[in-house]
Amino acid sequence: AQSVTQLGSHVSVSEGALVLLRCNYSSSVPPYLFWYVQYPNQGLQLLLKYTTGATLVKGINGFEAEFKKSETSFHLTKPSAHMSDAAEYFCAVIQAGTALIFGKGTTLSVSS
Amino acid sequence: DSGVTQTPKHLITATGQRVTLRCSPRSGDLSVYWYQQSLDQGLQFLIQYYNGEERAKGNILERFSAQQFPDLHSELNLSSLELGDSALYFCASSPEGGALAETQYFGPGTRLLVL
Repeated sequence: AQSVTQLGSHVSVSEGALVLLRCNYSSSVPPYLFWYVQYPNQGLQLLLKYTTGATLVKGINGFEAEFKKSETSFHLTKPSAHMSDAAEYFCAVIQAGTALIFGKGTTLSVSS
Repeated sequence: DSGVTQTPKHLITATGQRVTLRCSPRSGDLSVYWYQQSLDQGLQFLIQYYNGEERAKGNILERFSAQQFPDLHSELNLSSLELGDSALYFCASSPEGGALAETQYFGPGTRLLVL
């Protein structure tokens, strides 16, 4: 079965600092990986996804993620945090072309 | 705004009761998914429908059922409610529902509180 593990349930950064949210996956087949963001009292919004091809994926709001097969990782980064980035972030892998299997989420706090 | 709508936004009910959650997918999307988000279990896939037919089942309890209607809206029925069913229930939709890389678009969720 496929799964993802998000390291760190809570990450705190200062405004302008690098954001790094970690995700490792487990899959016996080539994975299709996603990062979603959930702002308070809202639904989930897709940040970016990896399917095939280029391993560095650019998403919305300045976020990007790099698929590293050797490390089974798909970490999310942003060079400079903004206060508006404070939210919960979920890494997910798709299973059997249907269900998204989510990690437990990482809450990002940004301080001024 | 993802284009997926869910009603109601909030629902408060008592143990033992039955409720129905409604979801309207994005225009043109044939597939609807239901997810449950709780503090204990995180985000869990419940069930998927494609063009009116059940396509995949996840960790959905027998007390829960769903259907997708000819106009493609979907309803999730929760019966014999227990305190532990209190959660945020999300609906998502996608154009086909079978392509591995297909994006699922999420609605704002229905927050259910069972007292």
